[in-house]
Amino acid sequence: QVQLVQSGAEVKNPGASVKVSCKTSGYTFTAYYIHWVRQAPGQGLEWMGRINPRSGDTDYAQKFRGRVTMTLDTSIRTAYLELTSLKSDDAAVYYCATHTNMDVWGQGTTVTVSS
Amino acid sequence: DIQMTQSPSSLSASVGARVTITCRASQSISTYLNWYQQKPGKAPKLLIHSASSLQSGVPSRFSGSGSGTDFTLTVSTLQPEDLATYYCQQTYSTLAWTFGQGTKVEIK
Repeated sequence: QVQLVQSGAEVKNPGASVKVSCKTSGYTFTAYYIHWVRQAPGQGLEWMGRINPRSGDTDYAQKFRGRVTMTLDTSIRTAYLELTSLKSDDAAVYYCATHTNMDVWGQGTTVTVSS
Repeated sequence: DIQMTQSPSSLSASVGARVTITCRASQSISTYLNWYQQKPGKAPKLLIHSASSLQSGVPSRFSGSGSGTDFTLTVSTLQPEDLATYYCQQTYSTLAWTFGQGTKVEIK
C-alpha cells in the first residue's frame, strides 16, 4: 500500500535550520507531486509547497520563499523539507502528502523551536 | 493567494443530525476543492475531492457540492466517530493550495 514515513521529532534553537525527511513506498515515485503542509499547535493546516518528483521543479507558498527548500533523493524514494532561520512561530507538526488528490499523508514530524 | 473562508468555525450537533459546513473561495475555483477530516493527534484524511467526488472508503453519509466560489460539505446522519475538525482546500491555483481555517464538529 502507499505509505509515507517521516523522520522523528526535532528540537532546534531560534535561527537554526531543520531538515525533515519523507520516505515513500507502494507507488510509482515519479507519478505524483509531494506536498508539505504544517500545523502549528492548536491552529489550522498551512500548505507550504510541493515538488515534482519527475522534474524536481518546486512551487513554494509566498510566505516561505527564501527560507524553504524542497528536495528529493530519487534513489531512495525520499523527499526532504528544509526550513532555515527558524523562529518560535515555526514550531509545528510538518506533514508530507502525496498520491491522487493528496490522499496519502505521512504521520507528521514535530518541530520544536526553543532556546 | 486565493482565500478560503469556512463557516461556522465550530458547531455542536446530536448523533443522527444533519450537519452542513460551508466554504467560500475569494475567486472562482471551478470544482478544484477538497474536503479533509482531521481527528485530534492524527494526520488529515481526504473525504471529498473535486468538490463532490467521495474518496474511496469514505462512508456515504459524507457528501460535497458546489462550484465556482461556494461549496458545502454535508454529513447526512452524524455519528460519534465524526468528532473532528473539517478543512476545505482549493487546488485551483498551482502557486498555493490554500486551506480554510477549519470547522470543529462536536457531539452534543
